[in-house]
Amino acid sequence: SAVISQKPSRDICQRGTSLTIQCQVDSQVTMMFWYRQQPGQSLTLIATANQGSEATYESGFVIDKFPISRPNLTFSTLTVSNMSPEDSSIYLCSVDPQDRGGADTQYFGPGTRLTVL
Amino acid sequence: GQNIDQPTEMTATEGAIVQINCTYQTSGFNGLFWYQQHAGEAPTFLSYNVLDGLEEKGRFSSFLSRSKGYSYLLLKELQMKDSASYLCAVRVDTGGFKTIFGAGTRLFVKA
Repeated sequence: SAVISQKPSRDICQRGTSLTIQCQVDSQVTMMFWYRQQPGQSLTLIATANQGSEATYESGFVIDKFPISRPNLTFSTLTVSNMSPEDSSIYLCSVDPQDRGGADTQYFGPGTRLTVL
Repeated sequence: GQNIDQPTEMTATEGAIVQINCTYQTSGFNGLFWYQQHAGEAPTFLSYNVLDGLEEKGRFSSFLSRSKGYSYLLLKELQMKDSASYLCAVRVDTGGFKTIFGAGTRLFVKA
């Protein structure tokens, strides 16, 4: 299993500012994922963050808006840049231990609830 | 493209059985998840199917047919606490693994 923590758990930010969300895993994993869940909707994958390489972004998401760091196998950050009220969402970090073989689930952090005024 | 469909909402009665369907059209299929999500909380893993057939786990069962691109989640002996969103998600391997989520089905359990 994997235990994931995120900081901050929630924040209220002003339009035009940026927020960096941290994700810490208690074990080493190659692949980490960042999801967004807008109010009343399901999870949308923002990007895949692999250690030692550039993050891979899904359609509709760009690095300038959501820069990601992955400095080691247990940690990643997602920055939401130049925020607008449309960025108000829950941001979830996730790991898929499939790359280590044998696991059959995907683990989620508790999420960061962001409100942009 | 990748597409996952499931009903938006369902209502069922306490003690009854409910089946939530999910159909998918994806490339690089590598398994299907069902998650439960209560409002304001992170998704909780329920089941994972990678081979055809039925997986049973207590009151919850999940079925997969890869040839039909179809899965269902079966909930038995419904309880009020089962009121939640149920997310169908497909893991794909497109040169790297990632998991894509359906829009979710909101289940309301009534007394």
